Amino acid sequence: DIQMTQSPSSLSASVGDRVTITCRASQSISSYLNWYQQKPGKAPKLLIYAASSLQSGVPSRFSGSGSGTDFTLTISSLQPEDFATYYCQQSYSTPYFGQGTRLEIK
Amino acid sequence: QVQLVESGGGLVKPGGSLRLSCAASGFTFSDYYMSWIRQAPGKGLEWVSYISSSGSTIYYADSVKGRFTISRDNAKNSLYLQMNSLRAEDTAVYYCARYTPTGSYGDYVYYFDYWGQGTLVTVSS
Repeated sequence: DIQMTQSPSSLSASVGDRVTITCRASQSISSYLNWYQQKPGKAPKLLIYAASSLQSGVPSRFSGSGSGTDFTLTISSLQPEDFATYYCQQSYSTPYFGQGTRLEIK
Repeated sequence: QVQLVESGGGLVKPGGSLRLSCAASGFTFSDYYMSWIRQAPGKGLEWVSYISSSGSTIYYADSVKGRFTISRDNAKNSLYLQMNSLRAEDTAVYYCARYTPTGSYGDYVYYFDYWGQGTLVTVSS
């Protein structure tokens, strides 16, 4: 299995902050990397696919970058509705999710 | 609009069986790979299994291999997960999700673009 490690595991930030979450693969996965947002009691929502492509309907303050083993999800200016848990997922081989990053209000 | 609705969850004893269903609508079901993903209480997401559009290609996570069987009925727009020999550690919300490709032939990137609301499976005596 290709494993994914996210950092940090949790993060406190304020509305308006710029936030970056990192995901590292245990081996190169090219751009086979997706990002999801999950709010409590809800199903995950796709934000970014293929490392940097913004899913339709997702605000442009979300962006993704990286290739190979190191990837980042950036939220340029945090909004109240962005406080949630974020997961990366590789699809280079059988799917594998990172452990999640919980984004909390400071 | 795309809709995925899971059903079949509930309370089952260790060693028991359960069959989950996922009813799809709003898209051509037979054109898409489909998947099951689970989330134990308070934990992260764990991919369980996926099946190709025709059903000819199937993969499982090691944690469920030999105990769970994924299947689909394209005529009924439905996805299934037969779960046998259930263990306490299988307790989770089970989501079905559409597994969609992007890119060119031979270099597809797949992602889970639509998810159901989930169905809770509790394995306990």
